[in-house]
Amino acid sequence: GEDVEQSLFLSVREGDSSVINCTYTDSSSTYLYWYKQEPGAGLQLLTYIFSNMDMKQDQRLTVLLNKKDKHLSLRIADTQTGDSAIYFCAESKGTGANNLFFGTGTRLTVIP
Amino acid sequence: EAGVAQSPRYKIIEKRQSVAFWCNPISGHATLYWYQQILGQGPKLLIQFQNNGVVDDSQLPKDRFSAERLKGVDSTLKIQPAKLEDSAVYLCASSLVEGGGYTEAFFGQGTRLTVV
Repeated sequence: GEDVEQSLFLSVREGDSSVINCTYTDSSSTYLYWYKQEPGAGLQLLTYIFSNMDMKQDQRLTVLLNKKDKHLSLRIADTQTGDSAIYFCAESKGTGANNLFFGTGTRLTVIP
Repeated sequence: EAGVAQSPRYKIIEKRQSVAFWCNPISGHATLYWYQQILGQGPKLLIQFQNNGVVDDSQLPKDRFSAERLKGVDSTLKIQPAKLEDSAVYLCASSLVEGGGYTEAFFGQGTRLTVV
């Protein structure tokens, strides 16, 4: 079955880059996602990558996908205090939101 | 554009009591999902509707959980009777019709359930 793993915690200094890593087991995943969850809020989609891509850049966010190793990473450049949140990696086999499988989440703390 | 609305935001009940959560998806979104997020874990899909039909309820504990979306718009999720391990945040999400390219799921703020 599907399994998505992430490290639980990451602390970085404001202005530095953050790299959040994720590994998954299901090689038939179609889309891989990064969601952000702030305290008391729902999940906000940050970015996604289709499984036939290896990189996607969107402003301060860079997603890298190593399909061979089933490894996904999210790099946040110039990390700000407002980036402090829990970041979830997720995968799905469908064309989009169908049956998302989420990791346990990485709590990012940005130190001023 | 209004987002996914959920109520109540918080609920505390005793074990063996019943509870119901309500979700109003984004207008025009045919697909609706209920997820359960236990503290320290990622969300887990409970049930997926397309219009008023169930697409996937394989992870729904049907002995105590039920969900309906009678008119293909709003949905309710019920737990009867509740157990301590049902304490979690229940997230509702909606998306446009599946099929033919990428569709994003939009999540509500969730209902935090505490069973004591």
